[in-house]
Amino acid sequence: GQQVQQSPTSLVLQEGENAELQCNFSTSLNSMQWFYQRPGGSLISVFYNPSGTKQSGRLTSTTVIKERRSSLHISSSQITDSGTYLCASTGGLSGKLTFGEGTQVTVIS
Amino acid sequence: GALVYQYPRRTICKSGTSMRMECQAVGFQATSVAWYRQSPQKTFELIALSTVNSAIKYEQNFTQEKFPISHPNLSFSSMTVLNAYLEDRGLYLCGASFQDTQYFGPGTRLLVL
Repeated sequence: GQQVQQSPTSLVLQEGENAELQCNFSTSLNSMQWFYQRPGGSLISVFYNPSGTKQSGRLTSTTVIKERRSSLHISSSQITDSGTYLCASTGGLSGKLTFGEGTQVTVIS
Repeated sequence: GALVYQYPRRTICKSGTSMRMECQAVGFQATSVAWYRQSPQKTFELIALSTVNSAIKYEQNFTQEKFPISHPNLSFSSMTVLNAYLEDRGLYLCGASFQDTQYFGPGTRLLVL
């Protein structure tokens, strides 16, 4: 089945720094999503990005399907960006998601 | 907008007892509902996927006998953890799919004593 590798495992940023999180997939993917998990555990969908580049505020996601990878770029990081970022691939309409291990981001002042 | 509610948000049960958790999609009709578990220090594992007009499919290491799921309509699903033990503790998330996007509830955190 699909395996999802995320890097780095953790990241510490000075407030205002940029960061790039990587996600690699072992097999071809139909689509993928980036999630943000709050310290309390709840999951928020950040991007549904099957291909190409999408931007939302200071976050930009780029997915290159033929290279089986996706990245999440955080610009001008803020303390409130701290948390765990997970990527996951979807099996089309089946709704099955395979998650990566996540990248724990800590932004300090 | 699309929202997913889960109840309860947090629960404690004694080892060997069972507990039921619920998932409600609001504002949309989910074509499928997936249940995930995040054990301490781990990522999310899919427990089972319930798709409209199909049988509920359980992943390896998860069985219907241990995690029975009810999915009576397009907006509601419940899952029971039977005979819960320490290894069952964690955050249980329900993901409801609509138009290729999966929306998650806040989760039910299960503690087992």
